[in-house]
Amino acid sequence: GDSVTQMEGPVTLSEEAFLTINCTYTATGYPSLFWYVQYPGEGLQLLLKATKADDKGSNKGFEATYRKETTSFHLEKGSVQVSDSAVYFCALSDPHAGGTSYGKLTFGQGTILTVHP
Amino acid sequence: ETGVTQTPRHLVMGMTNKKSLKCEQHLGHNAMYWYKQSAKKPLELMFVYNFKEQTENNSVPSRFSPECPNSSHLFLHLHTLQPEDSALYLCASSQGGQGSYEQYFGPGTRLTVT
Repeated sequence: GDSVTQMEGPVTLSEEAFLTINCTYTATGYPSLFWYVQYPGEGLQLLLKATKADDKGSNKGFEATYRKETTSFHLEKGSVQVSDSAVYFCALSDPHAGGTSYGKLTFGQGTILTVHP
Repeated sequence: ETGVTQTPRHLVMGMTNKKSLKCEQHLGHNAMYWYKQSAKKPLELMFVYNFKEQTENNSVPSRFSPECPNSSHLFLHLHTLQPEDSALYLCASSQGGQGSYEQYFGPGTRLTVT
């Protein structure tokens, strides 16, 4: 079945540092890929997405590129802020899944990011 | 963000109580989801409804009973819960049918079972 693996956390950075959170996936088809962010006390928010190979999703200074050859979708940001402290989830959805599987998201375990001033 | 709302935001209940969680989406979506998020555990998909029909039940105990009266509303009825059921319960919605659609989440209900 489909699966998503994220780098182990927690990740602790100083403000303005470069961020990378690794995400790799296994899927039988050609999935769409997502990054979600969860701020303390809130639900998950869609951060960015990519629907086909070599697509780059971007939002709020975050970027991730859909790499089919390495089955990866690593999240990057050039200069993090204290306000970026949150839990980040990588996820995939298989658009061609049949039966009861369509629309389902498969999530990674989440990576906690803490940014210090 | 008012796309997906959940009430109540916090709930404390005893093991013999009956309560319900409510979710409402204002996005015109046709699929709705219940997730359970426990500390130090992956996000768990509990139930999926597509066009008001339940299409997924991930071996959830019968003390959790979902209800989807229409495409905009989703309920989770709770009875005789256990302390290990304490968690954040998240509702989400997306476009229905086959395809690859992002899900939009509500803020969650923090449930504590005493």
